[in-house]
Amino acid sequence: DIAMTQTPLSLSVTPGQSASISCRFSHSLLRHDGKTYLFWYQKKPGQSPQLLIYEGSSRFSGVPDRFRGSGSGTDFTLQISRVEAEDVGTYYCMQGTYFPPTFGQGTKVEIK
Amino acid sequence: QVQLQESGPGLVKPSETLSLTCTVSGVSVTNDRYFWSWIRQPAGKGPEYIGRAHITRKSDYISSLKSRVTISVDTSKNQFSLRLTSVNAADTAIYYCAREGLDQWSRLDYWGQGTLVTVSS
Repeated sequence: DIAMTQTPLSLSVTPGQSASISCRFSHSLLRHDGKTYLFWYQKKPGQSPQLLIYEGSSRFSGVPDRFRGSGSGTDFTLQISRVEAEDVGTYYCMQGTYFPPTFGQGTKVEIK
Repeated sequence: QVQLQESGPGLVKPSETLSLTCTVSGVSVTNDRYFWSWIRQPAGKGPEYIGRAHITRKSDYISSLKSRVTISVDTSKNQFSLRLTSVNAADTAIYYCAREGLDQWSRLDYWGQGTLVTVSS
């Protein structure tokens, strides 16, 4: 089984500042088709997870460009620039290269 | 636009069967570009992928639930369903249905709002 570590578990951010979340894996997420199946989701209380980033760095439809995914192989990062109050929630990375897809432990983001 | 909506009992007794349905609109469940998936999230934990069904491919499940779970597609109603037998307290969770890409491999792009299922006598 692929092991994954998401850090930090919680983050307190001043509005207008940046936030960074990391996911690290025990095996490369590069699939035989040449693509890397790393996703980032945002979950707000009482709502379902919303897809932010797919294939490591592509923003899903309607996602603000303040959200940026980067990384390759085993190390990935989600950066949120100019954090706003509406960004409060829990963020999860998810790998889809190996079945079954697995989610990180989550990073709870709060606003100072 | 694509929408998914879960429905089913919110309370199930231990050892009984959990049955949920996901009604899909805006896309056909016969579209072979997509899997139809179930994910659950116990309180205070991260999401856990359960499995997926496809109109032509065999269904796939996580190994820990494989002996108890069935996911199937109902083309006449544009729905898909989850059946989990012999439930226990550890199966208490919010259950989500989602669309998963085949071309866009593993991309869970549209989710239902989720339904809380509690296992208790």
